[in-house]
This record gives sequence, structure tokens and C-alpha cells, in this order.
Amino acid sequence: AQSVAQPEDQVNVAEGNPLTVKCTYSVSGNPYLFWYVQYPNRGLQFLLKYITGDNLVKGSYGFEAEFNKSQTSFHLKKPSALVSDSALYFCAVRDIGGGGNKLTFGTGTQLKVEL
Amino acid sequence: GAVVSQHPSWVICKSGTSVKIECRSLDFQATTMFWYRQFPKQSLMLMATSNEGSKATYEQGVEKDKFLINHASLTLSTLTVTSAHPEDSSFYICSEASGRHDEQFFGPGTRLTVL
Repeated sequence: AQSVAQPEDQVNVAEGNPLTVKCTYSVSGNPYLFWYVQYPNRGLQFLLKYITGDNLVKGSYGFEAEFNKSQTSFHLKKPSALVSDSALYFCAVRDIGGGGNKLTFGTGTQLKVEL
Repeated sequence: GAVVSQHPSWVICKSGTSVKIECRSLDFQATTMFWYRQFPKQSLMLMATSNEGSKATYEQGVEKDKFLINHASLTLSTLTVTSAHPEDSSFYICSEASGRHDEQFFGPGTRLTVL
């Protein structure tokens, strides 16, 4: 079985400061990892993914994430936060070995960027 | 990425009535679509996997007779909530899978309120 943990319900950061949203995962095989963002009453928007290759993945809107196999983590980062980044962020995993396209989502982290 | 639409974006209905939600893949022939529900401030829960031309696969604990899924074409999947009750009030989101081990593309969601 695959699972994702986002240990922080909410992250607060000042605009212009770096931000990190944490994610750890558990799969039986090799993972495909994803970050999505959700604005109020909207569907999920894809930010970035790790499939294979470089551990540092760059995505939309200046976000990046680092895949760390030994720590089974895939933390989302941005060097300089914007107020418009305030939203709900979801980490998701797919177990390559498990087959199929089912994603398992974390519980989400509410990011609040303040002036 | 793929474009997915949902209709309606919001619906209010009386208890005991049925509600149909449509999910369309606008620019991709989606053999597989997923249906999720999301309670306020919670993560997405996969309800079922919708396969074109065959029966949907439901997750454990999801009543297949209550949440009827039809995927009659490569661009349309429908979710019908039958005999709706207030506890069915939720945000329902669909997504399409490209068939590769890649990101899913999500619809904007449908807010269902059952009075």
C-alpha cells in the first residue's frame, strides 16, 4: 500500500522569504511523486513531478521540490514566497510497482503568505 | 496538459433526488477517469476509477448503487448521486489519466449541497 504524509496542516511565511512544505511517502516500489495546488472552490492544478533523473525538480510558478530517497521525502520549496502563493498544497504518490494510475494524496498543507 | 471540464460547477438539490455530474476531457481521449470527493479542509478521497466501455472500479466503502458512474465515450464520464442525502454534500472532482505514468489533470470540481 502507498501513503503520503504532510505533517503540517498550515505553514505561515512572510512574503519574500523562502518557503518549504513538507511531504514524506511510503511505497513498496519506486515512486512517482507529484505536487498539486488548490485554490478555494477549484480543482487541483499540477505544479511539478518526479519520475526519474535529477533529484531536484523545477515546476510552475517558481516552485521546486527535492526527491530524497533515503529520507523518503519530497519537500516543496520556493526561494521567495508571494502572497498569491497562498493556497492549499497537496503531495501525491503513485507506486510504479503497484500498477495502474491511482494517486494517493496527503492531507494537504495550507500555505499562508503574509505581507 | 489536458483540459478537463465539469458540469455543473455547483448544484443544490433536495434530499431524495438524484444529481448527475458530468466530466469531460476536452482535448484528450481519456480511457480512464477518476472521481474524487473532498470534504471541507480535507484531502481528496478516491471514490472510483471510471473505465471507458466497462464497469467502474469502486474503492472500498463506496456504494456503487448510490454513486453510479457511466463512461460511455472517450471524452465523457458521469457520476450520478442517487437518492441524495445531506451527508452526500461535498466537493466532487474528476480527473483524467493519460494512460502513462504521468500527472493527472483535474476538473474544476462540482460543489453539491443536499438540503
